[in-house]
Amino acid sequence: AQSVAQPEDQVNVAEGNPLTVKCTYSVSGNPYLFWYVQYPNRGLQFLLKYITGDNLVKGSYGFEAEFNKSQTSFHLKKPSALVSDSALYFCAVRERGGNTPLVFGKGTRLSVIA
Amino acid sequence: DGGITQSPKYLFRKEGQNVTLSCEQNLNHDAMYWYRQDPGQGLRLIYYSQIVNDFQKGDIAEGYSVSREKKESFPLTVTSAQKNPTAFYLCASSITKAKYLENTEAFFGQGTRLTVV
Repeated sequence: AQSVAQPEDQVNVAEGNPLTVKCTYSVSGNPYLFWYVQYPNRGLQFLLKYITGDNLVKGSYGFEAEFNKSQTSFHLKKPSALVSDSALYFCAVRERGGNTPLVFGKGTRLSVIA
Repeated sequence: DGGITQSPKYLFRKEGQNVTLSCEQNLNHDAMYWYRQDPGQGLRLIYYSQIVNDFQKGDIAEGYSVSREKKESFPLTVTSAQKNPTAFYLCASSITKAKYLENTEAFFGQGTRLTVV
């Protein structure tokens, strides 16, 4: 069975500092990995994905994520946080080769303080 | 303007009443999904459909029903058997054909907030 763990419910960071939101996953085969962001009372917006190839993936709004197969991790990063990055972030996984739905983590609330 | 449309944005249900949440997409996606979001629990899968006239139960299907009569539409009915229906409901869609594997992300609607009164 596929699963995703986001070990931090809340991450606080000062504006201008780098941010990291952690994600680890479990699948029986090779994964497709995704990050989404959610603003209050809105749907999820796609940020970036890892399909294959380069382990460092760049996405929207200056975010990037690094796929680490040995550690089964896919941490979301940004070199310099903005107050407007404050939101709820979800990591998701799908096993490669299947048509199964995305499995989501419980989310991490990012708060960027001015 | 392509996308996924959920309606209504807010819905109130009385005890013992069935209500139906609408989800329509014009992205020509094969697969559609319903997720439920509760604070601190992330997104949990209710039902999904990979093709017209076929759907599968997700992790929390009890008390819910769906239909997929058209590719564009995947309505969710919250029945009176669902004892705790107050939540934020999200509909999503994605491509499933193998030749489009690069595009495997799901696209989400803006959600429907259901409250029992």
